Amino acid sequence: DQQVKQNSPSLSVQEGRISILNCDYTNSMFDYFLWYKKYPAEGPTFLISISSIKDKNEDGRFTVFLNKSAKHLSLHIVPSQPGDSAVYFCAASANFNKFYFGSGTKLNVKP
Amino acid sequence: DAGVIQSPRHEVTEMGQEVTLRCKPISGHDYLFWYRQTMMRGLELLIYFNNNVPIDDSGMPEDRFSAKMPNASFSTLKIQPSEPRDSAVYFCASSRGWAEQYFGPGTRLTVT
Repeated sequence: DQQVKQNSPSLSVQEGRISILNCDYTNSMFDYFLWYKKYPAEGPTFLISISSIKDKNEDGRFTVFLNKSAKHLSLHIVPSQPGDSAVYFCAASANFNKFYFGSGTKLNVKP
Repeated sequence: DAGVIQSPRHEVTEMGQEVTLRCKPISGHDYLFWYRQTMMRGLELLIYFNNNVPIDDSGMPEDRFSAKMPNASFSTLKIQPSEPRDSAVYFCASSRGWAEQYFGPGTRLTVT
């Protein structure tokens, strides 16, 4: 039973445009969310996080939005760069319990 | 800091053999996690430790899998006996507190 879902396996965006990656979850108790980026043959690297007390968090080109009523979060990358091409995972945790990961979305930023 | 260190990076073994994966977490981190990534199941948590104590091993698939953390700077994940369906990439990650995790480069395990 997947508690965190990334329904788009891939996304292609032109360099300089906005990339929007989406993540849905089913457990309303999730209170901490993270996004990771993964390049081939490397481990995931942390990008940005958000707790359930906020609905937005920004870090440079990366912004995460949380819509608790819809159980949905999204990662916006503006402007997108070719180096952003990677697989992006969202993850969620409830009350300091284990993290559940989505299946990932492969982003391709075209020059 | 060198980051999370995993060894070996690649392991090829025959069915029935014992496999031991190793992890050195980032110094000062008090949580350590073992994950497995497969095409079918994605990234799944196997077990995690806090201050060297196993907290949740509900993700360990079978009794063939075991993990230990004898001290704050070392952990092992052992599979005995190994089976072809254990073929996957195994990641170790660590964190300071319940926060973002830092992943190692992974061990690609192939069981023939």
